[in-house]
Order: sequence, then C-alpha cells, then structure tokens
Amino acid sequence: AQKVTQTQTSISVMEKTTVTMDCVYETQDSSYFLFWYKQTASGEIVFLIRQDSYKKENATVGHYSLNFQKPKSSIGLIITATQIEDSAVYFCAMREKNTGYQNFYFGKGTSLTVIP
Amino acid sequence: NAGVIQTPRHKVTGKGQEATLWCEPISGHSAVFWYRQTIVQGLEFLTYFRNQAPIDDSGMPKERFSAQMPNQSHSTLKIQSTQPQDSAVYLCASSLGTGGDEQYFGPGTRLTVL
Repeated sequence: AQKVTQTQTSISVMEKTTVTMDCVYETQDSSYFLFWYKQTASGEIVFLIRQDSYKKENATVGHYSLNFQKPKSSIGLIITATQIEDSAVYFCAMREKNTGYQNFYFGKGTSLTVIP
Repeated sequence: NAGVIQTPRHKVTGKGQEATLWCEPISGHSAVFWYRQTIVQGLEFLTYFRNQAPIDDSGMPKERFSAQMPNQSHSTLKIQSTQPQDSAVYLCASSLGTGGDEQYFGPGTRLTVL
C-alpha cells in the first residue's frame, strides 16, 4: 500500500497565482516528518520545506508554505505568486520514527506547469 | 560544498554487461540512500547506509544488484548482467542521519541498457 499518495498527476496555473498541491500519508507513528521536494526539468531534485509532526504551526519558507492537517493525515504544499521557474514535478515524502527514521517514503509526484 | 556527486552522469551498456555507479555524499553526512527513477514506477527506494553500514536493502532486486560503502566518502551500486528493464536514472542522496533531516540528492546517473 502506498504510504504517501499524491492524487494530482498534473496541474496548470497562470503565473502569479496561488496553487495548492495535495498529499496524504499513512502512518501509525506518533512522530514523523513530512517533506516536499522539487524536481526540475534538468532532473535536479531539491529539498523545499519540511513539517515536523509535533509542530502545530504550518512551516513557511519563502513563497512555499504548508497546510498541515494532522487529523486528515494531509500535508498540502502552497506556492504563492507562482513564477515560470516553479514549473517542475513536486514530490511529497514522509519519514517515520518507528523505522528509526531510516526510510523515506515518496509520493508519485505532481507536475506543475506555470503559464505566462 | 560540492553537493552529492554522482559519476558517470550517463552510462550505456549492452545487455549482459556490468554497470558500476559511483556516489560521493556530502562531507559529514552519515546516511546514504540509493533510488531508481523511471517514468512508470516513479522514485523507488533501493538501499540505505548509515555510518557505512547497510541498514535496509529491501528495495534492491535480489539478483544482480549490490551496493557497498567501503568508506565514508563513497558508495557504489553495481548491476551485474544488465537488462533493458534496468534502464533508469539512478539517484544517490545523503543526509546528516540525525533523524528527521532532509535528503540532498545528486544529479543522478542515467543508465541505458541496449
């Protein structure tokens, strides 16, 4: 069974608008970490932002922010004022404490196209 | 800091040949991961080392694939008797290994098996 699920295969948005990408995860662990990564057209995978399960505040880094809804096991990525260079594939990932934080579980990714 | 280094960036092998892929993690990172990425399967976990010790190889195909980390500065992924279905981008990532830390990915090695 998929531990991390991204249901949106692809999204297109107009430049300078806000986009939200969905991600749901499965875990029995009380302590875990959630991550979002971006893969550019060149193939480079870059870490964007992370959320610690024990923190209630949503993480924010630059124009990336998270919508962490723990009861729903959901961690959405919000990109505000999108730019052309935000066009990429975005991956959600989870790391659980009960595995000793050994494994990263990745979603299948959501392809974002920002239209000028 | 040069980031995670992977060599070669591209490798073409004939069916049945051996391929060895190299990864140099970020200095000071104790955890090294190998992944395989294809269009169909997405990002697949292969194996994981911590402090050079193999911790989890549950994603490795049992035959033909092996990984080693002989020292803290490099890891290798070896594929024996390569098959066309092994064609993929192989990604190496490293992290501090302190628990909830993020991974830093290398640029990947694109393996093409003819």
